Amino acid sequence: QVHLVESGGRWVKPGGSLRLSCAASGFIFRDHYMSWIRQAPGKGLEWLLYISHRGLSIYSADAVKGRFTISRDNAKNSLYLQMNSLRAEDTAVYYCARFSIDQHFPVLTGYFDNWGQGTLVTVSS
Amino acid sequence: DIQMTQSPSTLSASIGDRVTITCRASQNISNWLAWYQQNPGKAPKLLIYRASSLQNGVPSRFSGSGSGTEFTLIITNLQPDDFASYYCQEYNSYSHTFGQGTKLEI
Repeated sequence: QVHLVESGGRWVKPGGSLRLSCAASGFIFRDHYMSWIRQAPGKGLEWLLYISHRGLSIYSADAVKGRFTISRDNAKNSLYLQMNSLRAEDTAVYYCARFSIDQHFPVLTGYFDNWGQGTLVTVSS
Repeated sequence: DIQMTQSPSTLSASIGDRVTITCRASQNISNWLAWYQQNPGKAPKLLIYRASSLQNGVPSRFSGSGSGTEFTLIITNLQPDDFASYYCQEYNSYSHTFGQGTKLEI
């Protein structure tokens, strides 16, 4: 059974940095693309980034490009999100999700077939 | 960017009812659409992908249809756990945009 557990969320001041982790189990982690998605309090879902199974391809939403970085350690079955220059509008629950590729051409896109329980990041002075 | 608009925003129904939720895309997305259910305080759960394919383990009371710009999620014989929020998500583009959500209330 796929199991994803996020950690690292906490309160941080604007301009600060934070690194989130996601521990994966129950599937062959190195065979799957992974993604981060967030949900601001009382709001909808926003896809942020995804990373290929070997970490060689990364795609980011414009909202976080240049500030957030996704990475993975397949030896540790772990996914990471490095968040820099945090803003109040980055306050949200951050979910890691397994990304299932469905469209291969002309763009590589897909859906999120398993999600973690989320970790809350609060950016406030 | 592709915009995804769901309607209604809120829907009231009763146990055993049949409900329909609509998702419209601002441009043609073929059948690259997924539906998710989110119970309060929980993570989203994939229900449907490729507009009409039921994810493993999801009850057949859930069904999806549509292509191009208009899509529907139909839930029949509503059960207590079905009262949740539902989101559509396009994956025709890298944006992987979600709709704003539909809250299904008892």
